[in-house]
Amino acid sequence: DGGITQSPKYLFRKEGQNVTLSCEQNLNHDAMYWYRQDPGQGLRLIYYSQIVNDFQKGDIAEGYSVSREKKESFPLTVTSAQKNPTAFYLCASSSRSHRGNEKLFFGSGTQLSVL
Amino acid sequence: AQTVTQSQPEMSVQEAETVTLSCTYDTSESDYYLFWYKQPPSRQMILVIRQEAYKQQNATENRFSVNFQKAAKSFSLKISDSQLGDAAMYFCAYRSLETSGSRLTFGEGTQLTVNP
Repeated sequence: DGGITQSPKYLFRKEGQNVTLSCEQNLNHDAMYWYRQDPGQGLRLIYYSQIVNDFQKGDIAEGYSVSREKKESFPLTVTSAQKNPTAFYLCASSSRSHRGNEKLFFGSGTQLSVL
Repeated sequence: AQTVTQSQPEMSVQEAETVTLSCTYDTSESDYYLFWYKQPPSRQMILVIRQEAYKQQNATENRFSVNFQKAAKSFSLKISDSQLGDAAMYFCAYRSLETSGSRLTFGEGTQLTVNP
């Protein structure tokens, strides 16, 4: 079945440690996104990529890094510079349309907690 | 920058009744898309309905419909014949057609409870 796979489902980070969240899609979508969700809040955009080897910062990129070496993959690294990393992280993808009505497909998310 | 506001943190409805969730947004753009997403306890985001700003006709998807008031910058979601499976967090979202990418701006969400 086509879809987006995020792993792991739960992740724990120690102080000063970098951790990487995986996001893989087999939908042949050009665009991929990372959102952060805090309790009682909406989703905020961290990074997005419209094409391989290119990505842009979203609204809260500080303390995060990404890469887009393959169309199918868009991993997110939470660095030690991110002082409040505890949150639910959602990856999404969409086809690249100039009309704007394309649907976003979401993964099932990764809950990151600090030990 | 665009902002999306959902002023109802929580709502409840009796099974089989109708409920309306509110959403307002702020933008200077004339063409854009609006969406409602549902997030059940599984935390999977599910698209409920979408509306193109240049279309005057309100979008409808089975029991879900919107009331889009462009001048008032209002985009409410009506759920008819509410079912227990409708219980979820609902997010309103805005997508600009004038900036690059398909990035969505989300509201804070409304937690909907359906009472049997």
